[in-house]
Amino acid sequence: AQSVTQLDSHVSVSEGTPVLLRCNYSSSYSPSLFWYVQHPNKGLQLLLKYTSAATLVKGINGFEAEFKKSETSFHLTKPSAHMSDAAEYFCVVRAVWGKFQFGAGTQVVVTP
Amino acid sequence: GEEVAQTPKHLVRGEGQKAKLYCAPIKGHSYVFWYQQVLKNEFKFLISFQNENVFDETGMPKERFSAKCLPNSPCSLEIQATKLEDSAVYFCASSQSTQGDTEAFFGQGTRLTVV
Repeated sequence: AQSVTQLDSHVSVSEGTPVLLRCNYSSSYSPSLFWYVQHPNKGLQLLLKYTSAATLVKGINGFEAEFKKSETSFHLTKPSAHMSDAAEYFCVVRAVWGKFQFGAGTQVVVTP
Repeated sequence: GEEVAQTPKHLVRGEGQKAKLYCAPIKGHSYVFWYQQVLKNEFKFLISFQNENVFDETGMPKERFSAKCLPNSPCSLEIQATKLEDSAVYFCASSQSTQGDTEAFFGQGTRLTVV
């Protein structure tokens, strides 16, 4: 079985400052991990995915995430937040043959 | 098409009425998933299909929910005798394979309101 835990339900940052969204996973197998973003009243957009090729994964809009097996973590970062980054972010795990298992989400608020 | 298309965007039903939601997956994608998002955050897995075959239905409420993916037709999710607690956004997603490293592409969702 696999699961994800997003450690912060709400993150508030100032525009231009770094963003860190924390995600820990649990999986019986080598997992595939994803970060999706959901803007208000919109669907989900894939930011990036980890598939064992490289532990540091770069995604769209300046986001990146690092897979750390020893810490069972897959934290999402961005060096400089933009107002348009205000949204809900979901860490997702998928095992082979499996469904996508979502974390509870982290709401990001960006203040001017 | 190049995106997952869900219809309708909004659906309002009185308690006890039937609701039917539709999803056209991306062309070439063999796997379709349905999720229910309640209270803005929690995504609950309902069911997945491999082409027209049910792949995993462990999340489906057995009594009132049903789903189909028939050849040459949009997939559908049907709720018989809706209840207030069924109010949620229902997302459909499609994926090219069951390989774990393959992402899912999500539709815009159908917001179901049961009154």
